[in-house]
Amino acid sequence: SQQGEEDPQALSIQEGENATMNCSYKTSINNLQWYRQNSGRGLVHLILIRSNEREKHSGRLRVTLDTSKKSSSLLITASRAADTASYFCATKPPGKLIFGQGTTLQVKP
Amino acid sequence: DAGVTQSPTHLIKTRGQHVTLRCSPISGHKSVSWYQQVLGQGPQFIFQYYEKEERGRGNFPDRFSARQFPNYSSELNVNALLLGDSALYLCASSLAGAQPQHFGDGTRLSIL
Repeated sequence: SQQGEEDPQALSIQEGENATMNCSYKTSINNLQWYRQNSGRGLVHLILIRSNEREKHSGRLRVTLDTSKKSSSLLITASRAADTASYFCATKPPGKLIFGQGTTLQVKP
Repeated sequence: DAGVTQSPTHLIKTRGQHVTLRCSPISGHKSVSWYQQVLGQGPQFIFQYYEKEERGRGNFPDRFSARQFPNYSSELNVNALLLGDSALYLCASSLAGAQPQHFGDGTRLSIL
């Protein structure tokens, strides 16, 4: 069973717009990670936020974490066509990653 | 430096057959994990190996097995293949079990 659930399942925006996707999870976590997957490829680690952090930035990415609501959000600013991909949140109990079902982002040029 | 490499990239098998998938981690990485990704879903954890020992197992039947070799490469074996085993099988490596994982591009397994 999946630990996380991303919302929305699909998102289509124009290049230059911001994209926000959300992740909810069920149990307590030590950290939460976001990954990107281009079609037919493996996953690429984007950012990790620890349970004692509320916000983290990496380039055009901003991640927030609300442990009281068991939720996280990923904001991609000034989106580009190359950002078109599926995005997954993953929680990390010791020894394994548990992924949600992902948000498919399409950025139109 | 080479990333995580998986072989083969594509594989077609029939029901009841056996398959072996291979993974070479990034040099220096001692932890290898395997995931199954069915089309349209997120990856599901199958196994983690660290220092050649199994450190975690997901909710998969005993038809699935794996091992890690002294050079830290790994094999995933699936026996008695079912149609539902059709998926992208991903391997990921990390320096240690708790570090961010680096994924290969997977093996696409199709069962006829």
